[in-house]
Amino acid sequence: EIVLTQSPATLSLSPGERATLSCRASQSVSSYLAWYQQKPGQAPRLLIYDASNRATGIPARFSGSGSGTDFTLTISSLEPEDFAVYYCQQGSIWLTFGGGTKVEIK
Amino acid sequence: EVQLVESGGGLVQPGGSLRLSCVASEFTVSSNYMSWVRQAPGKGLECVSVIYTGDSTLYADSVRGRFTSSRDISKNTLYLQMNSLRPEDTAVYFCARDVGKQGASWGQGTLVTVSS
Repeated sequence: EIVLTQSPATLSLSPGERATLSCRASQSVSSYLAWYQQKPGQAPRLLIYDASNRATGIPARFSGSGSGTDFTLTISSLEPEDFAVYYCQQGSIWLTFGGGTKVEIK
Repeated sequence: EVQLVESGGGLVQPGGSLRLSCVASEFTVSSNYMSWVRQAPGKGLECVSVIYTGDSTLYADSVRGRFTSSRDISKNTLYLQMNSLRPEDTAVYFCARDVGKQGASWGQGTLVTVSS
């Protein structure tokens, strides 16, 4: 099973700041990497698919990069509604998710 | 608008069974790969089953032999039959279309609680 490790576990930032989230895979997943945002009581919301493609309706402040084993989600300038938990997910072999990064208000 | 609506969750005793349903709208469940993903209280996401367009189905090690995923094309519905339930199966269960792909959609989830 491919294990995804996300870091940091918690990111404390202020609105307007830049957020950089990391996801590392235990083996190459090529570009089969997606990013989700989840708020309490809600289903995950797809942000990025195939490592760097924004899903429909996702603001341009969200961007993804990477391939192979190292991936990054960047939020260029945090809006109040961006404070949430973010998960990476690979679809190269089976479907596995990272443990999540909580972006909280500093 | 694409929509997925789960139902069938509830409280069940250890060793019991439950069947979850997921009704799809504005697409056919046979034309996409469909997944069940669960989330234990306060925890992360775990995929428990994937059913592909060719009807092949894969399961997580944690549920293989106990859970069965199927779909009824006439009702445009995905099912998850859960047998021999354990306390560690307690979670919100989401059904989802094309997880991780463009056009992915998720239901709102249904809570399964396994407790005596």
